[in-house]
Amino acid sequence: GAGVSQSPSNKVTEKGKDVELRCDPISGHTALYWYRQSLGQGLEFLIYFQGNSAPDKSGLPSDRFSAERTGGSVSTLTIQRTQQEDSAVYLCASSPHGSGNTIYFGEGSWLTVV
Amino acid sequence: GQQVMQIPQYQHVQEGEDFTTYCNSSTTLSNIQWYKQRPGGHPVFLIQLVKSGEVKKQKRLTFQFGEAKKNSSLHITATQTTDVGTYFCAGRMSGGSNYKLTFGKGTLLTVNP
Repeated sequence: GAGVSQSPSNKVTEKGKDVELRCDPISGHTALYWYRQSLGQGLEFLIYFQGNSAPDKSGLPSDRFSAERTGGSVSTLTIQRTQQEDSAVYLCASSPHGSGNTIYFGEGSWLTVV
Repeated sequence: GQQVMQIPQYQHVQEGEDFTTYCNSSTTLSNIQWYKQRPGGHPVFLIQLVKSGEVKKQKRLTFQFGEAKKNSSLHITATQTTDVGTYFCAGRMSGGSNYKLTFGKGTLLTVNP
């Protein structure tokens, strides 16, 4: 597609349930990022993938969060046993390489945990 | 860890007035980027600054990177209602992982027509 595609755009889930958020980066982009944005806050780095290298998971807030990137393209962010504080917009972004390049954001997945 | 701070958090102006947001890093940056996020939208890249003391202009927007590469500013001349949104700076730490962008909390600009 022309841009970074994320799904679902909105998700309401009950506390304790698992959720999966999907990101389809721009074709040809080798770098993929996940950020989290809570209401009125900045963007919190979660995880970074670059090609076949080991991902940088240093931003994941707890072991309930995990992410995969299959075939160097689509990525899935999984949150297990969701908590109310997980409610936020989860933004995926991609860039051509990763070093010094502009990153292009998707529209985000708005997660609400009730 | 690296911190990027932005001030002010909010700014309300009358249309036609100028606006400035400031960004300060706790560490020296290799480069800094600026993004704009419209209400309900996602961040969109505006510009990247790399050189010490660099100044770049985009129409009514002027971006500066400090001599020490630890601070930056965005100035909008004669604001318009289309300028409404949150402006984020994002820095890459010098000598560190050159892919990780650390974002400031942003400055929300509202413009009264």
